[in-house]
Amino acid sequence: DGGITQSPKYLFRKEGQNVTLSCEQNLNHDAMYWYRQDPGQGLRLIYYSQIVNDFQKGDIAEGYSVSREKKESFPLTVTSAQKNPTAFYLCATATDRETEAFFGQGTRLTVV
Amino acid sequence: KQEVTQIPAALSVPEGENLVLNCSFTDSAIYNLQWFRQDPGKGLTSLLLIQSSQREQTSGRLNASLDKSSGRSTLYIAASQPGDSATYLCAVHQAGTALIFGKGTTLSVSS
Repeated sequence: DGGITQSPKYLFRKEGQNVTLSCEQNLNHDAMYWYRQDPGQGLRLIYYSQIVNDFQKGDIAEGYSVSREKKESFPLTVTSAQKNPTAFYLCATATDRETEAFFGQGTRLTVV
Repeated sequence: KQEVTQIPAALSVPEGENLVLNCSFTDSAIYNLQWFRQDPGKGLTSLLLIQSSQREQTSGRLNASLDKSSGRSTLYIAASQPGDSATYLCAVHQAGTALIFGKGTTLSVSS
């Protein structure tokens, strides 16, 4: 089954904890992206990567970290420095930045 | 800085109507523009991609146009159905960053 897999679908975090959201793809796409979606805010870019071992900050990178050790994987860590992490997180991929982008089904993170 | 605006924010129509969703952007230096559909609690589904050199793209009952010089795109939905009810998002792709999104138009089609 091809595509983009985000896991888990739902995630609960206690105050002060770091949590990692997984994004895996088997589309052989070079570019991968992380977005955050809040009600009424639209999608905001957290981090993106055009190639393995390289990534760039987006508009709201503070309190988040990523790695790109493999082409297939682009995990996002939400650190304790992110003061308002409750949101819907979406991962996307594309062959490159000029081609069609595809999205995973998202992870809903809630702070408890 | 690129800004993408979608009007209206919400739209309700009876089944069978043809409708137009609007998207505008402030910087015309884009690679392409993409329209997405999002159902509640779900990820985004790609509907249409228009390259900067293209004027329009069609897929079934959907037609998207692009006027890069004026910074506008429209998504035309013909003969709307209740199953078309969703939020529609447009996004532009430009150098130095990833997709930049509008806030979306939430469409409700009543039977």
